[in-house]
Amino acid sequence: GIQVEQSPPDLILQEGANSTLRCNFSDSVNNLQWFHQNPWGQLINLFYIPSGTKQNGRLSATTVATERYSLLYISSSQTTDSGVYFCAVDGRGSYIPTFGRGTSLIVHP
Amino acid sequence: GAVVSQHPSWVICKSGTSVKIECRSLDFQATTMFWYRQFPKQSLMLMATSNEGSKATYEQGVEKDKFLINHASLTLSTLTVTSAHPEDSSFYICSARLQGATDTQYFGPGTRLTVL
Repeated sequence: GIQVEQSPPDLILQEGANSTLRCNFSDSVNNLQWFHQNPWGQLINLFYIPSGTKQNGRLSATTVATERYSLLYISSSQTTDSGVYFCAVDGRGSYIPTFGRGTSLIVHP
Repeated sequence: GAVVSQHPSWVICKSGTSVKIECRSLDFQATTMFWYRQFPKQSLMLMATSNEGSKATYEQGVEKDKFLINHASLTLSTLTVTSAHPEDSSFYICSARLQGATDTQYFGPGTRLTVL
């Protein structure tokens, strides 16, 4: 099946800093989503982005499908951004999502 | 936006008992729901794909007689952990996709199961 790798595995930031999270995948994809899992375990959709660029407030994401990667940008980070960020993809021909191992983000005040 | 609920949010049970977890799509119909299991500080592991009106499709290594899944309607799927043991303790999360859509997944808040 499709392989999904996320980097970095852990990230510690000071409030106000910017960061870039990366998701590499091993094959063509139908779908790609970014999620944020808060400290209570709830997963929140951030972006559905199989290709192109999207922005939502301080967050933006870019997927370059031909090069098999996606980036999530967090600007002016806040303590509420802490949690784990997951990338999930559906390989071409499959509508079953595969999750990466996530990036654990801690934002200090 | 689309909302998915799970009940209960947490449960503690004795070894050998069975536990049922409900997953509901509150404001949309979901032909497909997914059940995941997550251990501490690990990623989500897909257990099974649940399709309304048909048998669930289990991932390799997941015992279908241990984890019974029923998707009785377009808004409800249930996961029953039968004869639970301490090693079944985990965070169980369901998700749903909009009917006919192949894009966004919406997740429930999860159920934390502790088996004593």
